[in-house]
Amino acid sequence: DVKVTQSSRYLVKRTGEKVFLECVQDMDHENMFWYRQDPGLGLRLIYFSYDVKMKEKGDIPEGYSVSREKKERFSLILESASTNQTSMYLCASSPGTLDEQPQHFGDGTRLSIL
Amino acid sequence: GNSVTQMEGPVTLSEEAFLTINCTYTATGYPSLFWYVQYPGEGLQLLLKATKADDKGSNKGFEATYRKETTSFHLEKGSVQVSDSAVYFCALRDNFNKFYFGSGTKLNVKP
Repeated sequence: DVKVTQSSRYLVKRTGEKVFLECVQDMDHENMFWYRQDPGLGLRLIYFSYDVKMKEKGDIPEGYSVSREKKERFSLILESASTNQTSMYLCASSPGTLDEQPQHFGDGTRLSIL
Repeated sequence: GNSVTQMEGPVTLSEEAFLTINCTYTATGYPSLFWYVQYPGEGLQLLLKATKADDKGSNKGFEATYRKETTSFHLEKGSVQVSDSAVYFCALRDNFNKFYFGSGTKLNVKP
């Protein structure tokens, strides 16, 4: 089974801090994704990556950056955390082939910015 | 552009009732379609999928049929259980590896 592991289930940080959310997958997937999930808004794509050192902006990239130095690891960075970034963050991965494969999700990180 | 629309919740049913959660999509090309389930405090888990027109995905008593003529992928279950209470997401993957998710439908099943 595919395993997507997010480093923290719950995280509390302060306004202005630089915050790192880590995600690791064990299935050699090319594609990795970061979403945030807020009540009434569903999943919104922040950034995604199709390969090592590659990244593309999703629908809401402002205030975030990402890093993909190794294929299995995709990090989301909040450069200067703000209270409106309090949310549930979900990482996902999928194979790079065009063979109808789904995304596989981690358990999520519930981040609170005080 | 591509998009997924699903019925708003919450949907509240009694145990053993029939479930339908509507999902329609807009997409160019030939997308693959998915249903995910999210239990409280957890990430999304793949429930079922269909990759071409008229395919039926099924898992754990849930079913959905890929209807190209109506651009729909409605989720159904004949007899729901309390343990089915969760949020359900409809999603599509387009021909460029991009995913689009619906806003989610919360299902509450009462004993």
